[in-house]
Amino acid sequence: DVKVTQSSRYLVKRTGEKVFLECVQDMDHENMFWYRQDPGLGLRLIYFSYDVKMKEKGDIPEGYSVSREKKERFSLILESASTNQTSMYLCASRWGLAGVSEQYFGPGTRLTVT
Amino acid sequence: AQSVTQPDIHITVSEGASLELRCNYSYGATPYLFWYVQSPGQGLQLLLKYFSGDTLVQGIKGFEAEFKRSQSSFNLRKPSVHWSDAAEYFCAVGGISNTGKLIFGQGTTLQVKP
Repeated sequence: DVKVTQSSRYLVKRTGEKVFLECVQDMDHENMFWYRQDPGLGLRLIYFSYDVKMKEKGDIPEGYSVSREKKERFSLILESASTNQTSMYLCASRWGLAGVSEQYFGPGTRLTVT
Repeated sequence: AQSVTQPDIHITVSEGASLELRCNYSYGATPYLFWYVQSPGQGLQLLLKYFSGDTLVQGIKGFEAEFKRSQSSFNLRKPSVHWSDAAEYFCAVGGISNTGKLIFGQGTTLQVKP
């Protein structure tokens, strides 16, 4: 079974803190994704990566950055957390650089910024 | 631009009743279509997917979906709902620019009455 794990299920941070969310997949997938999930808005793509050290902006990259130093690990960074970044963050991975394979999701990290 | 619409934010059905969740998409080319389910506190799990061929696809947990190109729809159905089906359901479209990106609908929350 594909396994995507996220470092924390719940996280509480203060405004202005630097926040790291970690995601690890164990299936040697090329593609990895970070989404945020908000009620009524579904999932919105923040960043994705199709190879080590490669990244592309998604639909809402402002206020976020990412790092992919190893194939299995994809980190989301909030340089200076703000209250409007309080949300559920979901990581996903996918086999292949193109085509039709599905994405596999981690359990999510619920981040609260106070 | 590509988009996915799930017209129903909340649906309540009685246990044992049939279910249909609606999904409409906007995409110029042949879409890759997915339905995911998210149980409370969990990540997303793939229910089924459509890429080509037979327009009626079978998934896990007794779900099926029908692709109708003329209506730009991919509705999810189940003939008899169980209490454990209570969850949030997301429709998604992929195959965008060979990036593996998915665009998600807003989600439909299903409540099951005993």
